[in-house]
Amino acid sequence: EVQLVESGGGLVKPGGSLRLSCAASGFTFSSYSMNWVRQAPGKGLEWVSSISSSSSYIYYADSVKGRFTISRDNAKNSLYLQMNSLRAEDTAVYYCARDPSSSSPVGQWFDPWGQGTLVTVSS
Amino acid sequence: SYVLTQPPSVSVAPGQTARITCGGNNIGSKSVHWYQQKPGQAPVLVVYDDSDRPSGIPERFSGSNSGNTATLTISRVEAGDEADYYCQVWDSSSDHPQVVFGGGTKLTVL
Repeated sequence: EVQLVESGGGLVKPGGSLRLSCAASGFTFSSYSMNWVRQAPGKGLEWVSSISSSSSYIYYADSVKGRFTISRDNAKNSLYLQMNSLRAEDTAVYYCARDPSSSSPVGQWFDPWGQGTLVTVSS
Repeated sequence: SYVLTQPPSVSVAPGQTARITCGGNNIGSKSVHWYQQKPGQAPVLVVYDDSDRPSGIPERFSGSNSGNTATLTISRVEAGDEADYYCQVWDSSSDHPQVVFGGGTKLTVL
């Protein structure tokens, strides 16, 4: 069974940092592009970042570019999101999601999704 | 930046057909994907590449895409279909591709 389990969320002060992790199992992690998508409380979905299977292609939303860094460790079947200079508007549930491509994720869809981890940015 | 427009809400009686639209400039030239999200749960893919269904998704879910509008159609609506639905595309018109989600549509089963 394909599983994605996020961790690392919590309460952080504005300007602080946090590193999210996504542990993958049930599939060959190194063969798939991966993504982070977030959802602020009571709001819609917002894409954050995507990374191809070998990290050759990396894309960011304008709202996080320069502050967030996506990475992966294929040996550990893990996806990461390093979040710096956090703002109140970064408060959200962060989901990791797989997409079907191994190369550029452009044009692809997200399936499946993890259950998410909540990040709260507040003083 | 590219914008996807969805109606905030759609209501339908059980057994009827629900149509949820997703508007965007020349969206017919893009691949559109649809997600269902129930309260407290992660989104689930219900249609990809405009009209394909993942395994396990009922045939009652279908999609179409042409011109400036993509549509998710749910036939013979059931109470369990009540959820938020989101459309999604990739906007690769600039040198840094971005994923765009619609604002979401809350489907209410009367």
